[in-house]
Amino acid sequence: GAGVSQSPSNKVTEKGKDVELRCDPISGHTALYWYRQSLGQGLEFLIYFQGNSAPDKSGLPSDRFSAERTGGSVSTLTIQRTQQEDSAVYLCASSLAGQGYQPQHFGDGTRLSIL
Amino acid sequence: AQSVAQPEDQVNVAEGNPLTVKCTYSVSGNPYLFWYVQYPNRGLQFLLKYITGDNLVKGSYGFEAEFNKSQTSFHLKKPSALVSDSALYFCAVRDRNTGFQKLVFGTGTRLLVSP
Repeated sequence: GAGVSQSPSNKVTEKGKDVELRCDPISGHTALYWYRQSLGQGLEFLIYFQGNSAPDKSGLPSDRFSAERTGGSVSTLTIQRTQQEDSAVYLCASSLAGQGYQPQHFGDGTRLSIL
Repeated sequence: AQSVAQPEDQVNVAEGNPLTVKCTYSVSGNPYLFWYVQYPNRGLQFLLKYITGDNLVKGSYGFEAEFNKSQTSFHLKKPSALVSDSALYFCAVRDRNTGFQKLVFGTGTRLLVSP
């Protein structure tokens, strides 16, 4: 079956521009996560959505970052006024909800480069 | 607070030899533990998890991991390494008692298997 789909796979933009990254989770997965992976770093949690509950935004690094999830499915991560330190791979994951032992399934990420 | 340590940035092993990738964790309660593998330009792929029960967990591609509560470790092992096992490996933990749904990842260990 289809896995987690992310688009675009690569994005190059100029400093100061806004970008939108899209994630389409696995059908039936009600939990959705965004992570950031910088070169030589582990994964940094950004935000978590679970069904209709308020999202856990505790990992967002600044108010330039926001995310929404429409209809409990597709999610968009928006970065406003991009900075060079925003350059990273942004990974989306989804999982079955409710039990913390469910593994997360990852997309291939969006590689964001800020010039 | 949850944390994961992967003390080795890189592990080198010859094909056919056993491999071990180390992971230690810290949680306030009982853990759910996971191993993921990442190939170049791809997302993370789930390998195996520990929930409860047997301390030796078997996963995909012949990998296994041993949970040791007293040493707070969850080392990844394989009896006979393949060149195709060369990749970046991440250990992750979730504290089952806190209700946190996000995974905390280690910084990753690069495994290089030489022919």
